[in-house]
Amino acid sequence: GAGVSQSPSNKVTEKGKDVELRCDPISGHTALYWYRQRLGQGLEFLIYFQGNSAPDKSGLPSDRFSAERTGESVSTLTIQRTQQEDSAVYLCASSFRAGPTDTQYFGPGTRLTVL
Amino acid sequence: DQQVKQNSPSLSVQEGRISILNCDYTNSMFDYFLWYKKYPAEGPTFLISISSIKDKNEDGRFTVFLNKSAKHLSLHIVPSQPGDSAVYFCAASAGGGATNKLIFGTGTLLAVQP
Repeated sequence: GAGVSQSPSNKVTEKGKDVELRCDPISGHTALYWYRQRLGQGLEFLIYFQGNSAPDKSGLPSDRFSAERTGESVSTLTIQRTQQEDSAVYLCASSFRAGPTDTQYFGPGTRLTVL
Repeated sequence: DQQVKQNSPSLSVQEGRISILNCDYTNSMFDYFLWYKKYPAEGPTFLISISSIKDKNEDGRFTVFLNKSAKHLSLHIVPSQPGDSAVYFCAASAGGGATNKLIFGTGTLLAVQP
């Protein structure tokens, strides 16, 4: 399995709890992206990592959201004090480089439901 | 503020006919456009792309047309097959920047009837 993997596939949590979502990119891909898709909406950019550069956090909706990436491997997206509006499918993608023609390969997503 | 718009939430086409999916954008800084296809419970998969210096790109049954003056692009699938039934997302990027974050439309659900 050489694709992007994400875990868990589904997460149900109570309002106010913290959640951590994991992404394993394709080996050798230097760029990693997080997006989310709320019901009836398109994919919404959250954050981007490229090598050792400072991440582009311009899409994070609030300071309750944070993400880390270890080198060029695993990334975790953390949502603190979850709210019902955080319910969405969270998608991770990776690409070989970060150029405009570098195809982004998506994982299957984590469906987060906040009760 | 939706910078990439797909105004048709769904489209139904007969097998063998042409499917035309449309997309409009507002940001003139966008210089690279992509179409992704998504099946239920899977992540989107890249289908075809076009640079703003071109007005057409073709790959097998799939052709993307770009009209920069109208800020409009379309995806043509011909002939359509039942396996093409999926949600199609249009996406755009301002690739001249330091990142390649994609701005997506809301998607069009294509149903190809046998």
